[in-house]
Amino acid sequence: AQKVTQAQTEISVVEKEDVTLDCVYETRDTTYYLFWYKQPPSGELVFLIRRNSFDEQNEISGRYSWNFQKSTSSFNFTITASQVVDSAVYFCALSVAEYGNKLVFGAGTILRVKS
Amino acid sequence: DVKVTQSSRYLVKRTGEKVFLECVQDMDHENMFWYRQDPGLGLRLIYFSYDVKMKEKGDIPEGYSVSREKKERFSLILESASTNQTSMYLCASSSIARTGAYFGPGTRLTVT
Repeated sequence: AQKVTQAQTEISVVEKEDVTLDCVYETRDTTYYLFWYKQPPSGELVFLIRRNSFDEQNEISGRYSWNFQKSTSSFNFTITASQVVDSAVYFCALSVAEYGNKLVFGAGTILRVKS
Repeated sequence: DVKVTQSSRYLVKRTGEKVFLECVQDMDHENMFWYRQDPGLGLRLIYFSYDVKMKEKGDIPEGYSVSREKKERFSLILESASTNQTSMYLCASSSIARTGAYFGPGTRLTVT
C-alpha cells in the first residue's frame, strides 16, 4: 500500500526566513511519482512539481527547491526567503502508475508566513 | 490551459437529501477522480474513473456513488446526505500519458 506522511502540521515563519516542509513516503513499487501541491486560501490546488522515482536530481525553481532522497524515502520542499504569499497548505502526494495514477496525499502542512 | 470546473463552490443540503456534484474537464483526459478533503486528513479518494462508464472505488466510497456517461463529465452522488459528509469535495482529471492531476476549485458541502 502507498502512504505519505507529512509530520509537520503547521509551521510559522517570519518573512525572508527559509523553511523546509518534510515529506516521507512508503511504497513497494519501484516506479512511482512524487508531487507537491499548494493550496492557497482560495482553495484550488496548484501543481508545483512532479518527480519520478528514477530521477533523484534535486530541482530548483526560483525560491523553491526540492530534495528527493530514495535512501530515506523523502521528498522535502524548501522555500528560500519566504514571502507572505507563500502562506498556504502544502500537500505532498505519491502516485503509482499501475493503480491508475491515483494520487495518495499526505495530511498537508499549513505554512504561515508573517510580515 | 487545462480546466476542471465544478458545478458549485458552496452547497447547503439537508440530511437525507440526494446530492449531485458535477465535474467537467476540457482536456480530453481519460482519468477523473473525486477526493474529499478534511482538516488533518489531507485528501482522500472516494471514486475514480479511467474511462466512460467505468469506475473504481477509492479509499472511502461508502455513502457515495458516481456516474460517468461522457468522457468530460464525472458526477458524484450522495444518495442520502448525512452530516458526516460535510466536507470539501475536489474533482481532478489526468491523462494516462502523464501522471499527476489537475484539480477543480472544489465544492464546500454543508449538510445540516
